[in-house]
Amino acid sequence: DQQVKQNSPSLSVQEGRISILNCDYTNSMFDYFLWYKKYPAEGPTFLISISSIKDKNEDGRFTVFLNKSAKHLSLHIVPSQPGDSAVYFCAASAGQGASKLTFGTGTRLQVTL
Amino acid sequence: NAGVTQTPKFRVLKTGQSMTLLCAQDMNHEYMYWYRQDPGMGLRLIHYSVGEGTTAKGEVPDGYNVSRLKKQNFLLGLESAAPSQTSVYFCASWGYTTSTDTQYFGPGTRLTVL
Repeated sequence: DQQVKQNSPSLSVQEGRISILNCDYTNSMFDYFLWYKKYPAEGPTFLISISSIKDKNEDGRFTVFLNKSAKHLSLHIVPSQPGDSAVYFCAASAGQGASKLTFGTGTRLQVTL
Repeated sequence: NAGVTQTPKFRVLKTGQSMTLLCAQDMNHEYMYWYRQDPGMGLRLIHYSVGEGTTAKGEVPDGYNVSRLKKQNFLLGLESAAPSQTSVYFCASWGYTTSTDTQYFGPGTRLTVL
C-alpha cells in the first residue's frame, strides 16, 4: 500500500517557467512533509519542509503548499533553472518528525533551455 | 565535516556471495537508516537503528542484516546475495540536535548481483 504517491514519473518544463510537482498521501496521521532533490550518482538532499499547522512554506524559488483536506502537497519552483533538473522525492512522517519517513516514488524534472 | 559516507561506491557480486556495506556519519546522530532505491519504487526502508547497539526492521528487511556496534557506524550485510538485491543503497542519519528536521543521506552504493 503506497501511502505517499507521486503520480507523475516525469515532468519537462522550459527554463524560466514554473515547475509544479505533486504529491498525494493517504495516511491522515501524517503531519510533517519534506521534499528532497536527487542528482544522478548522489544521495537525496533536503530541499524544503512543511508542518501540518501551515499551508504554505517558502524558501527562495521554492514553495511548498499543503492541502490537508485533499491530502495533497505540491512543490512550486519559480523560475525553473536548468540546474533544477533532478529527481524530486516527497516524504511524510506521522508524529515523529524526520526520524521516520515514508517516501514517494519520485518525479524526474527536466528543465529545458 | 564529511557528513554521511558510504563504502564501497560500486560493487558487483555473484549470486550467493556475501558482502558488507559500511556507513559512517560524523554528526553524532542517534538514528541511522539503510534504504534501497529501485526504479519506480522510491526509497524503501530496509533496517534502521535508534542508537548504538540497537537495530529494527523496516519495510523490506528480508535477506539483509545490520549491526550498529559504534554510534557513528551502521553496517548492512548481505549473507547470500540474490539478483533481486540489485539496487542502489542509501544510508541516512538523523539526530535530535539538527537545526533542520531532516535526514541526511550518503552518496549511495550501486550493487549489481549477477
